[in-house]
Amino acid sequence: RKEVEQDPGPFNVPEGATVAFNCTYSNSASQSFFWYRQDCRKEPKLLMSVYSSGNEDGRFTAQLNRASQYISLLIRDSKLSDSATYLCVASYGGATNKLIFGTGTLLAVQP
Amino acid sequence: DTAVSQTPKYLVTQMGNDKSIKCEQNLGHDTMYWYKQDSKKFLKIMFSYNNKELIINETVPNRFSPKSPDKAHLNLHINSLELGDSAVYFCASSQERMQYFGPGTRLTVT
Repeated sequence: RKEVEQDPGPFNVPEGATVAFNCTYSNSASQSFFWYRQDCRKEPKLLMSVYSSGNEDGRFTAQLNRASQYISLLIRDSKLSDSATYLCVASYGGATNKLIFGTGTLLAVQP
Repeated sequence: DTAVSQTPKYLVTQMGNDKSIKCEQNLGHDTMYWYKQDSKKFLKIMFSYNNKELIINETVPNRFSPKSPDKAHLNLHINSLELGDSAVYFCASSQERMQYFGPGTRLTVT
């Protein structure tokens, strides 16, 4: 079983739709969590950190449930430019700051 | 300004050859990493250096040898390349929790 699991998709949604991605992690020692975005043939880029209290950045809302070891990302009012692969990431923190990536969820926003 | 840069961007080579990939960051970060992204798009850490000291060494064949001449550079040398080494290799750097990735080196072994 992978340490960080995501539904690979693809999620095909129309512009303006709301879409939610879920992710589970298996190692309770994980300390920090992130969502990264990766465009086709590009490097991953940090989208947002994820906190238990939830955090929002414009149309994006991320949530962490430590008891269920579950992370979510909600995208409201989808834009064509949101089309990408969204990577769920868990970190052990500390000196190593080792990131464990999920396999990613592909989002395709249709006009 | 490029924060994390890698060279070359593309590398096509034959089995058995030795090749190097270079990485440089101008962010002043203490920690640098090498990741491998395979054909299934799974991104996995290979190595991490903190201030030129190796701190993460995942289960990677000995044919892969990272070298950090200073904290702004982390190079990856690969000996006796195999077909299964074909992948995209990403360098990254971090200060505290956030990691910033380079543009990647697409390695194709024929």
